Amino acid sequence: QVQLQESGPGLVKPSQTLSLTCSVSGGSIRSDGYYWTWIRQHPGKGLEWIGSYSGSTYYNPSLNSRVTISVDTSKNQFSLNLSSVTAADTAVYYCARHTGPLAVPPDAFDIWGQGTLVTVSS
Amino acid sequence: DIQMTQSPSSLSASVGDRLTITCRASQDIGRYLSWHQQKPGKAPKLLIYSASSLQSGVPSRFSGSGSGTDFTLTISSLQPEDFATYYCQQGYSSPWTFGQGTKVEIK
Repeated sequence: QVQLQESGPGLVKPSQTLSLTCSVSGGSIRSDGYYWTWIRQHPGKGLEWIGSYSGSTYYNPSLNSRVTISVDTSKNQFSLNLSSVTAADTAVYYCARHTGPLAVPPDAFDIWGQGTLVTVSS
Repeated sequence: DIQMTQSPSSLSASVGDRLTITCRASQDIGRYLSWHQQKPGKAPKLLIYSASSLQSGVPSRFSGSGSGTDFTLTISSLQPEDFATYYCQQGYSSPWTFGQGTKVEIK
């Protein structure tokens, strides 16, 4: 069974770059039909899709200029870089698997990591 | 972006109650609608996909319906472990968006 686990610093200074990694176990990140995804949740708030990778990258336009998602197939990991962070980027960051239209279940965030809180503060 | 609006934002209910949560999309999304359950301090968990399909391992007391712009999540008989926040999410077009959540509390 595929499992996801986030890792990275819990504290980032304003204007710096937030960097997180998601390790995939129980399956290959090279499997077809999946989009490796980052989602965040501001404290006490709802969920915001940041972006996904599946050969190509897809980003939320609200964050597009600051976000980079990359994959390291040799380590079965994918990463998030969010540049020029402010206090507004303080959130729990989740990695997730988004299934494509031919997967079961189709078109759904079916597996989530446990999440990691990142605080932006000096 | 497609806006997803849930109602109510919160509710109080008792064990054994039948519960319905509504989600409305700002445009037609067909049946590209998922429901997720989130408990405090935990990651969301997929309950329903394609508007009405039950994710593997999810109890049958959960059901989903709807298409187009209006969707519902129903819990037929609320159990103690169902007290949580529920989110709808559209998978029709990027950027994928979520509703604001419905918090189900114990009466």
